[in-house]
Amino acid sequence: SQTIHQWPATLVQPVGSPLSLECTVEGTSNPNLYWYRQAAGRGLQLLFYSIGIDQISSEVPQNLSASRPQDRQFILSSKKLLLSDSGFYLCAWSVGGGGYGYTFGSGTRLTVV
Amino acid sequence: DQQVKQNSPSLSVQEGRISILNCDYTNSMFDYFLWYKKYPAEGPTFLISISSIKDKNEDGRFTVFLNKSAKHLSLHIVPSQPGDSAVYFCAAIDVLSGGYNKLIFGAGTRLAVHP
Repeated sequence: SQTIHQWPATLVQPVGSPLSLECTVEGTSNPNLYWYRQAAGRGLQLLFYSIGIDQISSEVPQNLSASRPQDRQFILSSKKLLLSDSGFYLCAWSVGGGGYGYTFGSGTRLTVV
Repeated sequence: DQQVKQNSPSLSVQEGRISILNCDYTNSMFDYFLWYKKYPAEGPTFLISISSIKDKNEDGRFTVFLNKSAKHLSLHIVPSQPGDSAVYFCAAIDVLSGGYNKLIFGAGTRLAVHP
C-alpha cells in the first residue's frame, strides 16, 4: 500500500535561518507531489506541485522553494525564514490526472520566532 | 480571488442532529469535488467526493449534494456525532495541462458537535 512520510512534525526556527522539510512517498511510482500551507485561521494554500523529477511549478511568489531530486522525494526549502512563513505545511501525493483526490502527510508545524 | 468558498468559518450542532456544511465555487469548469476532514495537527483525510454528472453521493452518514447551476455543494452529516468535530474542507479539482490536477481548497468550516 502507498504511504507518505513527512518530517519533522514540529519545528521552531529563528528568523533568518534556513529551512528544509522533507516528504517521501512509498508504494507508488511517478506520483504527482504537492506542498500546501495552512496559515493560522486560513485554508489550505497550494505552494508547489511537481509532476516529475526536477519538474516544479510554483503557485505563489514567496520566500520558499521546492525541489524533487528523486521520483518519490519532495523537499521544501528556504534560505532565510520570515515570521510570515509560520504555518502548518502539508505534503500530498496523487496519481494520474483529474478525478482523483490527494493523500496527505501528517504535516509539519513550523513556528518562526 | 478565491475559487472555492466556504463562507461559514464555524458550525455548532447538537449530537444526533444534522450538520450541513456549505461550499460555493466560481469556476464553471470544475467538475469534480471532494470533502476532506482535518483534525488539529494532522493532515486532511478524504471523506467523500462527487462528480458533476451526479447531483448526490451518499456514503453512510455522509451525503454530498451538488447544484451545478448554482455552483454550490453541501455536505450533510446525519446523525452528527462528537467524533465528527473537526475542520471540513471543500475542494475542487482543477485540471492542468497534460491531464494533471491540483486541488483548490476552501478556507474550511470548523464543526463542533456537542452532547
